Amino acid sequence: KAGVTQTPRYLIKTRGQQVTLSCSPISGHRSVSWYQQTPGQGLQFLFEYFSETQRNKGNFPGRFSGRQFSNSRSEMNVSTLELGDSALYLCASSSDTPRETQYFGPGTRLLVL
Amino acid sequence: DQQVKQNSPSLSVQEGRISILNCDYTNSMFDYFLWYKKYPAEGPTFLISISSIKDKNEDGRFTVFLNKSAKHLSLHIVPSQPGDSAVYFCAAPPSGNTPLVFGKGTRLSVIA
Repeated sequence: KAGVTQTPRYLIKTRGQQVTLSCSPISGHRSVSWYQQTPGQGLQFLFEYFSETQRNKGNFPGRFSGRQFSNSRSEMNVSTLELGDSALYLCASSSDTPRETQYFGPGTRLLVL
Repeated sequence: DQQVKQNSPSLSVQEGRISILNCDYTNSMFDYFLWYKKYPAEGPTFLISISSIKDKNEDGRFTVFLNKSAKHLSLHIVPSQPGDSAVYFCAAPPSGNTPLVFGKGTRLSVIA
């Protein structure tokens, strides 16, 4: 089985712009979660989608949004980028619930200038 | 408030010796714990897990110990190898369908 893929792998944006990141889960997995990793902060949960519905949401501002398509692929969008949004954004998939073992993609490294 | 804490941001160990990575949690409802390993420029990969009905789980060189009364778990790597150099995250799922809560990670450096 192919692993979780994320595109693009690297991205440079400027403040005020918006960005869309994409994630394709492992075939058959219906749960997709997004995390932000910054130095010293570990993995902070953004949101989780299951069968095209947002099932869980972390404590991030409304500038961060996401969606999931019928084929389980997911996108996350960040509007009005701020310097502090520079981070590694990780997507993880699991077959049913996020309690199960999650399989992570390689991440998208976003740099906001 | 952090529910899962890894208080050591880094650890350095000589090749062949034991590496012990620690994790504390505050929520006594946690009943399952996972360790993930992350190399630079890669996503975390699942390493080993333990259910609260056990106090030890072993997989090759990796053993996780759980002390429920102290709300503490530890990951032991014996013997440590240079390829084990990575960031290790401890994680726990609160309940139901809620997502995993991760610690901030411990960077392990195994020196040859």
